[in-house]
Amino acid sequence: DGGITQSPKYLFRKEGQNVTLSCEQNLNHDAMYWYRQDPGQGLRLIYYSQIVNDFQKGDIAEGYSVSREKKESFPLTVTSAQKNPTAFYLCASTATGTGANSPLHFGNGTRLTVT
Amino acid sequence: GENVEQHPSTLSVQEGDSAVIKCTYSDSASNYFPWYKQELGKRPQLIIDIRSNVGEKKDQRIAVTLNKTAKHFSLHITETQPEDSAVYFCAASIIGSNYKLTFGKGTLLTVNP
Repeated sequence: DGGITQSPKYLFRKEGQNVTLSCEQNLNHDAMYWYRQDPGQGLRLIYYSQIVNDFQKGDIAEGYSVSREKKESFPLTVTSAQKNPTAFYLCASTATGTGANSPLHFGNGTRLTVT
Repeated sequence: GENVEQHPSTLSVQEGDSAVIKCTYSDSASNYFPWYKQELGKRPQLIIDIRSNVGEKKDQRIAVTLNKTAKHFSLHITETQPEDSAVYFCAASIIGSNYKLTFGKGTLLTVNP
């Protein structure tokens, strides 16, 4: 299962706390993405980054923040402003930011539970 | 923006039967349609994709058809096996714009032995 590593697999936090999810890839991919998966909701894009030091909001960016200081790393912070943070979070990458022939490579996900 | 509808949300078939999952999209500019399979507890993986310049694509027991006029595309799995049990996601985007990939809500396929 090399390629994209997400950690931890399970994460528990108290309401009101910020939490950062890790995503590291060794595929030398330029583009990285964060998706949120909820039961019956499919995959919804939170943030994406096509190049180091640059990132854009996806469809549901409110309450989340990211950074892309290194090509290999794209951490996601779930802030206390996110109203419904409990979800399964998937990180993905592609070889380029614009290639349709480059499928999304996903990590194994982090299941975040906020109580 | 793009809207992708996927049906059914759950599908149960007997081993050896065929399974069909259908998706519709709203943006006529979309021209790339991948399908991802997510087994229980695992990451989604691309199983097949199609571009709008073709109407059908096959890969062993899996095929995808596209009707651009009606803006719908379908996944066909023949001779289903228990290992086909998974959640299947369709998606749509414009070639060259992976960040604009819009996913359907998924179909839970159960293949009963």
